[in-house]
Amino acid sequence: DADVTQTPRNRITKTGKRIMLECSQTKGHDRMYWYRQDPGLGLRLIYYSFDVKDINKGEISDGYSVSRQAQAKFSLSLESAIPNQTALYFCATSDRTGRTDTQYFGPGTRLTVL
Amino acid sequence: AQKVTQAQTEISVVEKEDVTLDCVYETRDTTYYLFWYKQPPSGELVFLIRRNSFDEQNEISGRYSWNFQKSTSSFNFTITASQVVDSAVYFCALSEWGTGNQFYFGTGTSLTVIP
Repeated sequence: DADVTQTPRNRITKTGKRIMLECSQTKGHDRMYWYRQDPGLGLRLIYYSFDVKDINKGEISDGYSVSRQAQAKFSLSLESAIPNQTALYFCATSDRTGRTDTQYFGPGTRLTVL
Repeated sequence: AQKVTQAQTEISVVEKEDVTLDCVYETRDTTYYLFWYKQPPSGELVFLIRRNSFDEQNEISGRYSWNFQKSTSSFNFTITASQVVDSAVYFCALSEWGTGNQFYFGTGTSLTVIP
């Protein structure tokens, strides 16, 4: 089974709808992240969480919110989706124990907003 | 300013050729990490290598090798005897200790290996 899972894998929605993307991990990592990928722009950080009570905005947090329900779960919400939020969304986890910073990514969620 | 620059947007090579993907980074931290990830056509991001700022030893893993040079702020990735399965987008990333492990990704280099 995958260590980092994302649901749904694909979603098509309409402008103005509320959408939630979910991420779960079995790696036991404290740190979780949400990124979006757009063609030619690489990955950009939306939000990150170092533990359940610590949530931080990333580079492009406007229009998004997150919830860290447990160490293993980190959800991303689009309160009112708009077409320019069409992108590939990735969840990632990392563990800084022993200075290991490597981030491990989920399979991605492809979101289309019409 | 871009912290990680991958100037090569797209590269095409013929199978069995060697290819080097360039990565230049910018940081004021003395402690940082550099990474390479592979994104095949299926879309997932696969971790390839991590290097910390205190270790400039080059690394070889099979057909892959990495050349880390602090003097030029570069962390280049070479694939020897390329194969069609190497076709993917490759991302270089920087993590600074001072910013709490926030990753900065380059914009990626799309590699196509032609059979």
